[in-house]
Amino acid sequence: DIQMTQSPASLSPSVGDRVAITCRASQSISTDLQWYQQKPGKAPILLIYSSSTLQSGVPSRFSGSGSGTDFTLTISSLQPEDIGTYYCQQSHDDPFTFGPGTKVDVK
Amino acid sequence: QVHLVESGGGVVQPGGSLRLSCAASGFTFSSCGMHWVRQAPGKGLEWVTYLRYDGSKEFNVDSVKGRFTSSRDNSRNTLYLQMNRLSAEDTATYYCAKDRGANWNAATFEYWGRGTLVIVSS
Repeated sequence: DIQMTQSPASLSPSVGDRVAITCRASQSISTDLQWYQQKPGKAPILLIYSSSTLQSGVPSRFSGSGSGTDFTLTISSLQPEDIGTYYCQQSHDDPFTFGPGTKVDVK
Repeated sequence: QVHLVESGGGVVQPGGSLRLSCAASGFTFSSCGMHWVRQAPGKGLEWVTYLRYDGSKEFNVDSVKGRFTSSRDNSRNTLYLQMNRLSAEDTATYYCAKDRGANWNAATFEYWGRGTLVIVSS
């Protein structure tokens, strides 16, 4: 199975800060990588697919990059509504595994 | 717009069975692969199963193989998850999710339902 790791596990930036979350795969997954946001008590929503393609309706302050084993989700200017947990997920091979999540609070 | 509504969760004893349903609307259900993803209380996300748009192919995570089976009724726009021989480790909120691919498995969870909670406890 492909193992996914994320760092940091949590962070508390201020509104307006640039935020970067990294995700690493245990083997190369090309660009078969998605990012999801989950707010407390809610279902996840898809933010980014294929490493860097913004899902329709997602604010442009979110962006994704990377290929192979290393990926980054960037929020260019953190907003209060961005609090939640962010997960990466690989679609390269079954089983389709998620990272452990990065919890974002706003300071 | 896309709407997914899960039902069928509840409390079940270890070793018991439960069938979850996911009612879909707002898209051509018969053309889309569907997934079940679960989340144990306070934990992360775990993909469970994928079912091809026509029900002809299923992929499962190892921990549920031989116990869980997904199926679908395209005439009713409904996805099912039959769960047998349940254990405490299966306690989770179960989400159905629409795959981003049409007629192919993108393994990308484009839209999610709100989930249904399954508690396995004596």
